[in-house]
Amino acid sequence: GAVVSQHPSRVICKSGTSVKIECRSLDFQATTMFWYRQFPKKSLMLMATSNEGSKATYEQGVEKDKFLINHASLTLSTLTVTSAHPEDSSFYICSAGRATYEQYFGPGTRLTVT
Amino acid sequence: KQEVTQIPAALSVPEGENLVLNCSFTDSAIYNLQWFRQDPGKGLTSLLLIQSSQREQTSGRLNASLDKSSGRSTLYIAASQPGDSATYLCAVMGDGGATNKLIFGTGTLLAVQP
Repeated sequence: GAVVSQHPSRVICKSGTSVKIECRSLDFQATTMFWYRQFPKKSLMLMATSNEGSKATYEQGVEKDKFLINHASLTLSTLTVTSAHPEDSSFYICSAGRATYEQYFGPGTRLTVT
Repeated sequence: KQEVTQIPAALSVPEGENLVLNCSFTDSAIYNLQWFRQDPGKGLTSLLLIQSSQREQTSGRLNASLDKSSGRSTLYIAASQPGDSATYLCAVMGDGGATNKLIFGTGTLLAVQP
């Protein structure tokens, strides 16, 4: 149990376009989902925390208008990178909280903006 | 603000050696500490989770210890194998509030030479 999926696993888009990444908890309900960004050979940086049915809480320095997060149901959260630019290229990982102190991670999405 | 540091940043050992990875954190008010493994371009695999009240956890050839008061954790890998080659990340979860964030360390890139 406690499986989290992400879609797509890889995406290449042109500069100026928007890209949506989905994060799903497949076999449990997640009241909280987290979005992380990982630069090459770097650690994971928390971008935002989203709770089902409410606005996401963004970490300092993360542009909420740039990275739109929607947590419409207890099993789905989406991250939309708006007007993507090459500097947005990165590995994006989500996690889903099954209980207050448990998080399960998705396999990640590699975004490349050309 | 919690900061998590891992030493060394990179480590190369011959197959069969025992090794220790280190993780330190600045704020001892943690709920738990987790060690993860990440293969290149992949998501995270949870290895061991230590609750703040525990001193160590063991799984197969892996042993993780926690000294909460000094802000340190170690991951001991016995009889290393080439398949252990990966990046190892530690992460701490704060002890406060309903939505607990994971703060990740800087990672240790391990290469086990056959």
